[in-house]
Amino acid sequence: NAGVTQTPKFQVLKTGQSMTLQCAQDMNHNSMYWYRQDPGMGLRLIYYSASEGTTDKGEVPNGYNVSRLNKREFSLRLESAAPSQTSVYFCASTPWGQSRSMNTEAFFGQGTRLTVV
Amino acid sequence: GENVEQHPSTLSVQEGDSAVIKCTYSDSASNYFPWYKQELGKGPQLIIDIRSNVGEKKDQRIAVTLNKTAKHFSLHITETQPEDSAVYFCAASIIAELSFGAGTTVTVRA
Repeated sequence: NAGVTQTPKFQVLKTGQSMTLQCAQDMNHNSMYWYRQDPGMGLRLIYYSASEGTTDKGEVPNGYNVSRLNKREFSLRLESAAPSQTSVYFCASTPWGQSRSMNTEAFFGQGTRLTVV
Repeated sequence: GENVEQHPSTLSVQEGDSAVIKCTYSDSASNYFPWYKQELGKGPQLIIDIRSNVGEKKDQRIAVTLNKTAKHFSLHITETQPEDSAVYFCAASIIAELSFGAGTTVTVRA
């Protein structure tokens, strides 16, 4: 019963390098999310996917791309990492669909601590 | 998109006292308001939530109130204990989009 699994847990990149953060959930949830957490800024939404095959921009999408590979997996890609992307990244999932009555608990992964030097 | 503001950013209380955190939201279409607790090195975890058709909800020492007219909601923790020390986030959702406040760091002094 893993819930939401993120890989890797830690990563150091050089400026300009690319990488993909992986996220998988085993709860058959419809919606998945990527957030970044910075001191004093809370959790800011980067992208989300309300259902398989759809993605939408959140508050801070610049410099990122996402792929909803299937219902279980939602990846976040940094094409050319910048020091401003140093952060802790969280993936989350919820069972929410298009019906508002379905809103319930969102489950979070343990986070990926990314440092760009 | 939704804009959620949270106050205060830090809160220090004496063990046994109450703690109150307040949030406001911008979009009147938001209908679900969860609160999350984050401990050091971990992802946030839900502690209580409230829907737009309810004004107040309690769960042991934790309560949440919602004022839809004023577009604000609050978290109340009574009889605080050392294990309540953590970062707390409020959030608001419209359908599948979930937006968070900036967080409140709560420290309970023994």
